[in-house]
Amino acid sequence: GENVEQHPSTLSVQEGDSAVIKCTYSDSASNYFPWYKQELGKGPQLIIDIRSNVGEKKDQRIAVTLNKTAKHFSLHITETQPEDSAVYFCAAGTGGGADGLTFGKGTHLIIQP
Amino acid sequence: GAVVSQHPSRVICKSGTSVKIECRSLDFQATTMFWYRQFPKQSLMLMATSNEGSKATYEQGVEKDKFLINHASLTLSTLTVTSAHPEDSSFYICSAPNHRSGANVLTFGAGSRLTVL
Repeated sequence: GENVEQHPSTLSVQEGDSAVIKCTYSDSASNYFPWYKQELGKGPQLIIDIRSNVGEKKDQRIAVTLNKTAKHFSLHITETQPEDSAVYFCAAGTGGGADGLTFGKGTHLIIQP
Repeated sequence: GAVVSQHPSRVICKSGTSVKIECRSLDFQATTMFWYRQFPKQSLMLMATSNEGSKATYEQGVEKDKFLINHASLTLSTLTVTSAHPEDSSFYICSAPNHRSGANVLTFGAGSRLTVL
């Protein structure tokens, strides 16, 4: 089955700096890669996703890149703000959708004022 | 956008009792819903896939008699933790796929914190 590795487990950056979280996956058949943000005591919220026919996708301060050959994808957050502090999970799946998603172990992002 | 409502958000119960958690898709139909368990500072562990009108599919190692799942309608799935014990204390989260841009995207509930005394 699919195996998703996520790094780092904890990331601390100064407010205003950029943050990058990286994930690798093992199943070359995976074609859907979402990123979720989870605040303390809440359920995960989808913040951005990318499909295997696209190499990069941006949404304001958030971007995701995908390298299918190397089987890795990354989340980039620019101009970080205190409200970006949360746990971020990457996931990988097949079927072009949500079924059978495998999640990474999460990255605790801390934005230092 | 799509909303999944999960209730209760917090529940405390005595050991040996049963607890029911509800997951509702508010503005879309969900023939499938997913139930996860999350330990502190850990990732989401898929417990089972809830299927409307049929039996749930459980992941390996998850006791189906312990975690009863019922998907009685296209908008409601329930997870019942039977004869709960302290080791069942955890954060339980449901999710449902919804159509967006021609493909399914997962929407999560807010989670339910179960504490078994």
